[in-house]
Amino acid sequence: DGGITQSPKYLFRKEGQNVTLSCEQNLNHDAMYWYRQDPGQGLRLIYYSQIVNDFQKGDIAEGYSVSREKKESFPLTVTSAQKNPTAFYLCASIEDSTDTQYFGPGTRLTVL
Amino acid sequence: DAKTTQPPSMDCAEGRAANLPCNHSTISGNEYVYWYRQIHSQGPQYIIHGLKNNETNEMASLIITEDRKSSTLILPHATLRDTAVYYCIVRVDPPRGFQKLVFGTGTRLLVSP
Repeated sequence: DGGITQSPKYLFRKEGQNVTLSCEQNLNHDAMYWYRQDPGQGLRLIYYSQIVNDFQKGDIAEGYSVSREKKESFPLTVTSAQKNPTAFYLCASIEDSTDTQYFGPGTRLTVL
Repeated sequence: DAKTTQPPSMDCAEGRAANLPCNHSTISGNEYVYWYRQIHSQGPQYIIHGLKNNETNEMASLIITEDRKSSTLILPHATLRDTAVYYCIVRVDPPRGFQKLVFGTGTRLLVSP
């Protein structure tokens, strides 16, 4: 069953802790993206990766880090430096032939 | 990316066609119109996209005006499961490099029995 998976669906973190959100895809897509969505707002780009072992900052990268060691995986770490991490986090990958972005189901992070 | 304007909310009766408008008056010649929808607490779902010709797939139809300054997404027979926020997005294609989808606030479609 092909697609993009994100885990966990819900995540709670104490202030000062780092946490890593998982994003996996078995669609053989090269490009993968991370967004955050706040209530009633659109998506804002955090990081993107066009190919394995390469990634670039998006519009709001401060307080976040990523890695892209495998084509299928693009984990996002929310560090303690992120001032307002409570949000809905979305991972996406891009179909090469159509340049269409497809999204995962999202992870809702709440900082207690 | 060109800015898009959508009505904040619309209602539709189940079984009827839902016509969702979008204005993109500053669109450039090589920019595609994309539509996504998002059901509460889920990831956005791709619906359809087009450049200048009308497009149809199993989910919806996309009608783009001849001057490309506006478009309409048509759900031919709306069901309760079509209740969602619908986003109209314009982006450059092919974006060999950084692809940026600018999601606005979208149209909240409520399908009622």
